[in-house]
Amino acid sequence: GENVEQHPSTLSVQEGDSAVIKCTYSDSASNYFPWYKQELGKGPQLIIDIRSNVGEKKDQRIAVTLNKTAKHFSLHITETQPEDSAVYFCAASSNNFNKFYFGSGTKLNVKP
Amino acid sequence: ETGVTQSPTHLIKTRGQQVTLRCSSQSGHNTVSWYQQALGQGPQFIFQYYREEENGRGNFPPRFSGLQFPNYSSELNVNALELDDSALYLCASSPRLAGEETQYFGPGTRLLVL
Repeated sequence: GENVEQHPSTLSVQEGDSAVIKCTYSDSASNYFPWYKQELGKGPQLIIDIRSNVGEKKDQRIAVTLNKTAKHFSLHITETQPEDSAVYFCAASSNNFNKFYFGSGTKLNVKP
Repeated sequence: ETGVTQSPTHLIKTRGQQVTLRCSSQSGHNTVSWYQQALGQGPQFIFQYYREEENGRGNFPPRFSGLQFPNYSSELNVNALELDDSALYLCASSPRLAGEETQYFGPGTRLLVL
């Protein structure tokens, strides 16, 4: 089955700086890669996703890049704000509307 | 449009008991997936239901079972609870349309087994 690894496990940045979280996956059949933000006591919330036919996607301060050859994808947050502080999860899925394989999460702390 | 809802929000059980968790999918979504999230870890896929049938299962024993109803809501049942079953149980719904792979999560049910 698929194996998704996520780094770093914790990330502390100063407000206004950029944050980068990286994930690798093992199954070349995976073709859908969502990123979720989970705040304390809440369920994961989708923040951005990318499909394997696209190399990069951007939504305001958030961007995701995908390298299919190397089997890795990254989340980039620019101009970080204290409200960006949360746990971020990457996930991978093959094209069968089925299970998502999640990374272990990155706890992002944005210091004011 | 209402999002995914789950009940109850919290639950305390003792080892050996049985528990039923409930999930209402987002309007228009016909597929429900259940995940277990242990503290400090990413969600782990339990199983998925589509049109009232189980459609894929993760590495969970048979004491984890589920149902989906005609209105697409779903239940997760866990028998013979073990201490390690303590976790946040997440339900996610999706519309199962081409180009719509996204799963939308509910707030979860936190289960504590003593």
